[in-house]
Amino acid sequence: KNQVEQSPQSLIILEGKNCTLQCNYTVSPFSNLRWYKQDTGRGPVSLTIMTFSENTKSNGRYTATLDADTKQSSLHITASQLSDSASYICVVSDRGSTLGRLYFGRGTQLTVWP
Amino acid sequence: EADIYQTPRYLVIGTGKKITLECSQTMGHDKMYWYQQDPGMELHLIHYSYGVNSTEKGDLSSESTVSRIRTEHFPLTLESARPSHTSQYLCASSRGESNQPQHFGDGTRLSIL
Repeated sequence: KNQVEQSPQSLIILEGKNCTLQCNYTVSPFSNLRWYKQDTGRGPVSLTIMTFSENTKSNGRYTATLDADTKQSSLHITASQLSDSASYICVVSDRGSTLGRLYFGRGTQLTVWP
Repeated sequence: EADIYQTPRYLVIGTGKKITLECSQTMGHDKMYWYQQDPGMELHLIHYSYGVNSTEKGDLSSESTVSRIRTEHFPLTLESARPSHTSQYLCASSRGESNQPQHFGDGTRLSIL
């Protein structure tokens, strides 16, 4: 069964600290892995997209890594800011259809305290 | 900032009413999607479209219907709303290539009394 599991479910950190969010997946055949940020009451916004051949990709203070062999990804946030408080969603796409079916994780709820 | 808009943002309405949730995008994207999201849960695909006059049902069974008469417009309709339809509905669009990101609207939070 194709699944995407994220951990931790929730996380609280102090402003300025770093944190790492985890994503494990069983989706096969694999096409790409995406990280989205979803602010409360808003739609998700794309942070990164990585294909099989990419090990790391950065977007400002966000750095995503991908290990396609172990089917694991992480999202590292550096020097956190209050505006980083949001849900971070891991999404994996398969190559099994023209649509490129997307499998969504339930997200990690990050809270940054001042 | 993506140019995809959903209206209304919030809707509280009684059981049995007909509802249409609007979604428009100005990016010329061929693919459009409707998702349902409940608090703390993953997004579930309920409808998608590859282009004009193309609509397909997604993974989650839904009593809603969609239409795609124009590229930029992808409305979702519930003929007779029920309390079980209470949820957040997110519209998204993307370019045709599989590695392109989806751009999401800010959603419609629907409450059926």
